[in-house]
Amino acid sequence: AVQLVESGGGLVQPKESLKISCAASGFTFSNAAMYWVRQAPGKGLEWVARIRTKPNNYATYYADSVKGRFTISRDDSKSMVYLQMDNLKTEDTAMYYCTSSHFAYWGQGTLVTVSS
Amino acid sequence: DVVMTQTPPSLSVAIGQSVSISCKSSQSLVYSDGKTYLHWLLQSSGRSPKRLIYQVSNLDSGVPDRFSGTGSQKDFTLKISRVEAKDLGVYYCAQTTHFPYTFGAGTKLELK
Repeated sequence: AVQLVESGGGLVQPKESLKISCAASGFTFSNAAMYWVRQAPGKGLEWVARIRTKPNNYATYYADSVKGRFTISRDDSKSMVYLQMDNLKTEDTAMYYCTSSHFAYWGQGTLVTVSS
Repeated sequence: DVVMTQTPPSLSVAIGQSVSISCKSSQSLVYSDGKTYLHWLLQSSGRSPKRLIYQVSNLDSGVPDRFSGTGSQKDFTLKISRVEAKDLGVYYCAQTTHFPYTFGAGTKLELK
């Protein structure tokens, strides 16, 4: 069965950094584009970032709200996808979900809270 | 950005009733490959979202055929026949045709 398991969330102060991770299993990870999607408390879903596969040069795409501050990456040898979040803002507080291409599969999420 | 307008924002239904949710996009969702990347997701209370339908009308594995998706270009509909208690939650439409990918605001399906 497909599994996506996020980790690394926590409480950080504004302007700090945090890196969250997602471990994938049950499908051919190296063939799949991967995304991060977030959901602020009580709000809807917001797509954050996408990373393509090796044949597509691991091309990355970002929402304007995080461009220049967040970096998505992947390690196909470990079936892992990461989100490096720098210069965090209070408005980045959300549950962060790892999802596979076209939102086919979702993890359980990891909560990131940015507060002083 | 492509704006996804979902209506209604909420629905109260009785078990066994049928309901429809509308999703309209501000631009055509037909991609250059001819496919339409419009999907429907369900987020049950306290859970992660789960995709039910992909590319307008294709049911994901394990999704009962009480669910159906129709539409084209900019106008899409999710229909749920014979609603069951496990169908309750928030339904989202989502597009992966244009960057940035965007979601509808959600339709909350509740028991009457």
